[in-house]
Amino acid sequence: SQQGEEDPQALSIQEGENATMNCSYKTSINNLQWYRQNSGRGLVHLILIRSNEREKHSGRLRVTLDTSKKSSSLLITASRAADTASYFCAPMDSNYQLIWGAGTKLIIKP
Amino acid sequence: DVKVTQSSRYLVKRTGEKVFLECVQDMDHENMFWYRQDPGLGLRLIYFSYDVKMKEKGDIPEGYSVSREKKERFSLILESASTNQTSMYLCASEGAATGYGYTFGSGTRLTVV
Repeated sequence: SQQGEEDPQALSIQEGENATMNCSYKTSINNLQWYRQNSGRGLVHLILIRSNEREKHSGRLRVTLDTSKKSSSLLITASRAADTASYFCAPMDSNYQLIWGAGTKLIIKP
Repeated sequence: DVKVTQSSRYLVKRTGEKVFLECVQDMDHENMFWYRQDPGLGLRLIYFSYDVKMKEKGDIPEGYSVSREKKERFSLILESASTNQTSMYLCASEGAATGYGYTFGSGTRLTVV
């Protein structure tokens, strides 16, 4: 399956700043999901946005989806040290399979 | 709290050994998945299952097999472990109860020596 791509590969910001991560994909999708992974452990599902939605919020997370550009973004507002993790976008293709990229490594500096 | 439990956090096995990785979920999910994760490669799907006794090949099934005899349990089997199967293995489940997001286990870091 084709990979999704996150951008940037790594991001380092000060605590309290906002973090924006972008995702691009190549195929048509049913939905797009974002996951977080802390330090080599299992992934945690953050948010799911359906193909007919343009924006979704969950706490400090804001996700946008532009199906015409085949892209999505994840915004984390007022970042905290605990947000340090790798973030993965995973578009779900027409076969209901998730497409994974290599992730964005986010470091929040105190 | 819903859970996907993987039987081992760390595992060291010798080349040629038969290795069993167990995964159990308590959410009555229909769908279960096995991935491996390697640095810079993201997650790659090995096998998945939509129902008991059903299995489907993912992107990299070679050298692996799976078993799903009960709905809650999905086992990954390395028939004859090789050093290139050293990796982090992640099990996940998915069902309507969790809005179609995947729930992952904590992972098994397997080293084949």
